[in-house]
Amino acid sequence: EVQLVESGGGLVKPGGSLKLSCAASGFTFSDYYMYWVRQTPEKRLEWVATISDGGSYTYYPDSVKGRFTISRDNAKNNLYLQMSSLKSEDTAMYYCASSSYYAMDYWGQGTSVTVSS
Amino acid sequence: DVVMTQTPLSLPVSLGDQASISCRSSQSLVHSNGNTYLHWYLQKPGQSPKLLIYKVSNRFSGVPDRFSGSGSGTDFTLKISRVEAEDLGVYFCSQSTHVPTFGGGTKLEIK
Repeated sequence: EVQLVESGGGLVKPGGSLKLSCAASGFTFSDYYMYWVRQTPEKRLEWVATISDGGSYTYYPDSVKGRFTISRDNAKNNLYLQMSSLKSEDTAMYYCASSSYYAMDYWGQGTSVTVSS
Repeated sequence: DVVMTQTPLSLPVSLGDQASISCRSSQSLVHSNGNTYLHWYLQKPGQSPKLLIYKVSNRFSGVPDRFSGSGSGTDFTLKISRVEAEDLGVYFCSQSTHVPTFGGGTKLEIK
């Protein structure tokens, strides 16, 4: 059974940093592209980052480019999202998801990030 | 970015009814490789989204055949042939032909 378990969320001040983790199991992690997706308090879904199976290629929307870094450790079956220079508009539930057919086929339960002074 | 517009925002239905949700994109979702990367997700209350349909009309593993997807270009539809209680929640369309974007969601609820 595919499982994705996020952790690392919390309350952080504007301008601060946070690192999210996603532990994967139940599939061959190193074979799949992975995503981070967030859901705002208004319930809007936003793509945050993508990483290739080997980790060589990463992609971001303009809204987080230069502030967020996606990475992975295929030996440990872990996905990460390093977030810095956080803004109030980064407040959201953050999900990791695996990729098949260019879709997000499995999602974790999410970890909540609140950016507030 | 490609804007995905879903209608209606809310869809009250009776159990056993057919339900239909529309999703329109601001530009064509046909990729240069000929595929159309339009997908549908269901988010039940208190849960994360789950993939229902990928590439317009392909049901994901374990998805009942009462769910069907259709469409082309910029105009897509998700149909549920006989709504069951477990189908209630918010449905999102999404595209990954271009930079990934999502529709605003359609809430399927009991009439």
